[in-house]
Amino acid sequence: DGGITQSPKYLFRKEGQNVTLSCEQNLNHDAMYWYRQDPGQGLRLIYYSQIVNDFQKGDIAEGYSVSREKKESFPLTVTSAQKNPTAFYLCASSIIRGPGANVLTFGAGSRLTVL
Amino acid sequence: AQSVTQPDIHITVSEGASLELRCNYSYGATPYLFWYVQSPGQGLQLLLKYFSGDTLVQGIKGFEAEFKRSQSSFNLRKPSVHWSDAAEYFCAVGAAGNNRKLIWGLGTSLAVNP
Repeated sequence: DGGITQSPKYLFRKEGQNVTLSCEQNLNHDAMYWYRQDPGQGLRLIYYSQIVNDFQKGDIAEGYSVSREKKESFPLTVTSAQKNPTAFYLCASSIIRGPGANVLTFGAGSRLTVL
Repeated sequence: AQSVTQPDIHITVSEGASLELRCNYSYGATPYLFWYVQSPGQGLQLLLKYFSGDTLVQGIKGFEAEFKRSQSSFNLRKPSVHWSDAAEYFCAVGAAGNNRKLIWGLGTSLAVNP
C-alpha cells in the first residue's frame, strides 16, 4: 500500500546538535510538506515543496532546513538555531493540481525531544 | 484575516451518544473544507472533505459534515459514538490552487465514556 514513512518515530537530541528527520513517500505525489505540532497550537507549516530541487518556507521556517533531491524524499533538518525544537513533526504529501491538491496524506510523525 | 475556529477544546460524550464538533471559518475565497482525525502519537487521517455540490458530505467511520455557507460553518457529526472515536479532530480550510495555504483549526479533543 502507498503511504508516507517517517523515521525515526522518537528522537532525542542534546542542545546544540543538528538532527535530520526522514520522510519518504511512494504515492507519486509531487508536493510534500513539513508541519510542526505543539499541544494546543494546531499544525504550523515549516516548509513545502512542489517539485524536485525546489522548496519554499512556510510560517515557521527559522531554524529548519530541507532538501528535495528526489520526488520521494523530503528530509527535514532541525538545526541548533531552532530555539525550541521539542515538538511532534508531521510530514505530508499531496498532488499539485485540482481540488485534490488540498488533500494531504500524513505520515505517522516523529517526536523530537531536546534534553 | 483567514482563520478557522473550533470553539470546543475538549468534549466528553458517552458511548452511543450523538456527537457534533463545531468548525467556523473566515475565508475570502470559496472554501474547500476538511475534517481530519488524529489518534494519540499518530499522524492525521482524512475523515471527509467538501469541494462543491451537495452540502452534506459523508466520510469514513460513519462521520458526516454539513457545509452552511450562511453560517460559515462545517460541523462534524456522528449519530452514535464508539469508544474508538476518542481522538483529536481538526478542521481545515483551503481553496483552489492554494494547497500550501491550508488554514487549520486548533483541534477538538474527544473523550468517550464507556
